Amino acid sequence: AQSVTQLGSHVSVSEGALVLLRCNYSSSVPPYLFWYVQYPNQGLQLLLKYTSAATLVKGINGFEAEFKKSETSFHLTKPSAHMRDAAEYFCAVSLTSGSRLTFGEGTQLTVNP
Amino acid sequence: GAVVSQHPSRVICKSGTSVKIECRSLDFQATTMFWYRQFPKKSLMLMATSNEGSKATYEQGVEKDKFLINHASLTLSTLTVTSAHPEDSSFYICSARDGRDRGASGRQNTGELFFGEGSRLTVL
Repeated sequence: AQSVTQLGSHVSVSEGALVLLRCNYSSSVPPYLFWYVQYPNQGLQLLLKYTSAATLVKGINGFEAEFKKSETSFHLTKPSAHMRDAAEYFCAVSLTSGSRLTFGEGTQLTVNP
Repeated sequence: GAVVSQHPSRVICKSGTSVKIECRSLDFQATTMFWYRQFPKKSLMLMATSNEGSKATYEQGVEKDKFLINHASLTLSTLTVTSAHPEDSSFYICSARDGRDRGASGRQNTGELFFGEGSRLTVL
């Protein structure tokens, strides 16, 4: 079985500050890991994914995440937050690319001016 | 990039009626589609996996007679909420996997999942 845990249901940062959204995973096999963003009343947009290649993954909108097997983590970061980054972020895990996803509970990011 | 379209984006219906939500892959063939349900301020919960030409596989606790899924073609899957009740009110999201070597655009299959925009159902 696979699962992900997102630490912190709400994260608030100031515009220009570092964004750090935490995700820890549990998987019996090498996982595929994803970060998605969801704006209100919209579907999910893929930010980035880890598929066992480079451990540091760069995504869209300046986001990146680092896969750390020893810590079973896949935290999402962005050096400088923008107001437009305010949204819900979901970490997800799957067995393979394109198979069913198991989502974390989500983290609501608020960016303050 | 690949596009998955859901329709309708919003629907309000009376209790006891049935509602159909469509999920279409616009520029690729989707052999597999997934249907998720999302409660307010909550995560996405997988309801069922829909495979073209075969019966859907439902997750534990999801009533197959309540949530009818049909995947009759490589570009269309439908979710029908039968005899809807207020507790069925939710945000329903589909995702589709690009399942062939090359889609209509000639683009190489990535196996990646693409999500629809979601459909908000409100049952009065």
